[in-house]
Amino acid sequence: DIVMTQSPDSLAVSLGERATINCKSSQSVLYNSNNRDSLAWFQQKPGQPPKVLIYWATTRESGVPDRFSGSGSGTDFTLTISSLQAEDVAVYFCQQYYSIPLTFGGGTKVEIK
Amino acid sequence: QVQLQQSGPGLVEPSQTLSLTCAISGDSVSSNNAAWNWIRQSPSRGLEWLGRTYYRSEWSSDYAMSLRGRITIKSDTSKNQFSLQLNSVTPDDTAVYYCASGWYFESWGRGTLVTVSS
Repeated sequence: DIVMTQSPDSLAVSLGERATINCKSSQSVLYNSNNRDSLAWFQQKPGQPPKVLIYWATTRESGVPDRFSGSGSGTDFTLTISSLQAEDVAVYFCQQYYSIPLTFGGGTKVEIK
Repeated sequence: QVQLQQSGPGLVEPSQTLSLTCAISGDSVSSNNAAWNWIRQSPSRGLEWLGRTYYRSEWSSDYAMSLRGRITIKSDTSKNQFSLQLNSVTPDDTAVYYCASGWYFESWGRGTLVTVSS
């Protein structure tokens, strides 16, 4: 199984400041057919299902604000919120869809400082 | 936009079978580029992918190895829905269960809290 390790577990950031979340996979998630990394990022607010923000490591889902961006390749990935807004308080997860079983990171809780 | 509507009981007795259904609108369960997943979430396990079914000229299913032998995910084309059956449940199977569509879970159901208890 591919293990997804996120850091930090929690993060407190001032409104308008940058938040950075890291995700490391235990092996490459590069999909050879399109040369893209099979890595997604999700946002989950209390009482709601996760919502996809980013897929193929860097592609923003339709409707997701452009303050959210994904970067990285191979085994190291980052989700950046460029200017934290109050509505961004949530838990964020990374997930690989390269191989079965599909696996998630443990989550990073983002709060306002 | 795909919408998923989950249904099923919130309480299951130990050793019994957990059964949930996910009704699809906005797409066809038989779509050749779709995948239909079940995922659960609990404080102890986090987010755990359980399995999926999809159609590519014939039906296929993939399952998490940890559940193999207990889990079945099936489609129902007449009702445009898919289902989860998990046999021989224990309290450790208590979780919020979600259905989700796509290869990277583009759409999710609202979730069903399933408690395994007598």
